[in-house]
Amino acid sequence: AAGVIQSPRHLIKEKRETATLKCYPIPRHDTVYWYQQGPGQDPQFLISFYEKMQSDKGSIPDRFSAQQFSDYHSELNMSSLELGDSALYFCASSLEGDSDTQYFGPGTRLTVL
Amino acid sequence: AQKVTQAQTEISVVEKEDVTLDCVYETRDTTYYLFWYKQPPSGELVFLIRRNSFDEQNEISGRYSWNFQKSTSSFNFTITASQVVDSAVYFCALSEAGIYTGANSKLTFGKGITLSVRP
Repeated sequence: AAGVIQSPRHLIKEKRETATLKCYPIPRHDTVYWYQQGPGQDPQFLISFYEKMQSDKGSIPDRFSAQQFSDYHSELNMSSLELGDSALYFCASSLEGDSDTQYFGPGTRLTVL
Repeated sequence: AQKVTQAQTEISVVEKEDVTLDCVYETRDTTYYLFWYKQPPSGELVFLIRRNSFDEQNEISGRYSWNFQKSTSSFNFTITASQVVDSAVYFCALSEAGIYTGANSKLTFGKGITLSVRP
């Protein structure tokens, strides 16, 4: 079965640079979520989109923005990167009526030097 | 606000032992969903099981079983006859009913339990 696809899988950036992470949800899934997981931490919710509209927002820094496109893929844009942004970034998708089950992609490991 | 507590941080067992992972949650909603996810050393988050707030029936699925008790706000997860491949971090998570029509809700995770299964 098709899973959530994230690219790139690994990304190394310098401080103050920008980064763009991409997520392709499971086909027919209508909701996309972004989570950030720091080393040794639990995943923290950043933002979600339902049918291409922002549906919820968590502890996402103002330096980050995200959107969902007409083909349902989503991008997380991160600017003025800081050392503390180094983390594993997960995208998940779900389908309305599927009891809120979120299926996660493999994650993008971002390292800021 | 919703909260998930996993009091155990690390558990070590010998292969073939049964192991139970504890989870306690807090929510003001009457409709919610509870989940267990597994994060092996490779890093991905793998969905294991889901239970909604209206269904307290406990089930067994292969070597996995779970015990959901609303009276104590607990959602414990048991692995029977553990195997080395079960070594991972296990997260309990809570999702409240979406506030937007048709939109599912964010997950709130516990801190995770690191399970080590020794041969």
